[in-house]
Amino acid sequence: ELKVEQNPLFLSMQEGKNYTIYCNYSTTSDRLYWYRQDPGKSLESLFVLLSNGAVKQEGRLMASLDTKARLSTLHITAAVHDLSATYFCAVDMWEYGNKLVFGAGTILRVKS
Amino acid sequence: NAGVTQTPKFRVLKTGQSMTLLCAQDMNHEYMYWYRQDPGMGLRLIHYSVGEGTTAKGEVPDGYNVSRLKKQNFLLGLESAAPSQTSVYFCAAGELAGAGDTQYFGPGTRLTVL
Repeated sequence: ELKVEQNPLFLSMQEGKNYTIYCNYSTTSDRLYWYRQDPGKSLESLFVLLSNGAVKQEGRLMASLDTKARLSTLHITAAVHDLSATYFCAVDMWEYGNKLVFGAGTILRVKS
Repeated sequence: NAGVTQTPKFRVLKTGQSMTLLCAQDMNHEYMYWYRQDPGMGLRLIHYSVGEGTTAKGEVPDGYNVSRLKKQNFLLGLESAAPSQTSVYFCAAGELAGAGDTQYFGPGTRLTVL
């Protein structure tokens, strides 16, 4: 059974600080997605990582993928309040029937 | 371009009642998905469809049925609602998993079963 584990599940950080969210998964995959969800809202796609070593950056967020370690990271640089949201990683299990398996999500709160 | 829309946005049911959730997309994507979101558990796949007239089970299919009679619509049915089906339901559309395209999500339906 595929497991996707995110940590931490809750992160409270000060504005201006850096931090990393980790996404570990239990089987081989070379496709991983990051989504953002604001309270009461839908999921918004942030990054699509399609190969080992892939790195994508958008503003203060940078995502990377290490398929050998089965690990993706979402790094936050100089956090601002607007980044407060829940962040999900999802592993593409396309070899097993075209499914995305989601992590439990990381609730990020950036304090002024 | 509305993207992915869901109807209704909110619904309260009594145990044993039935209902259908409608998902519509205007992006011409082949694949459509129904997920449920529960606190602390991320999203779990209920059923999905790889094209008009086809459906397949996901991770948590029990108690739900689906139909994809038209490419742009994907219906999720609850024949006899149970309190355990209280959740937020999201529909998504996208291309073949593995093709590297992300999934595009609808706004969600908040369902409460009393």
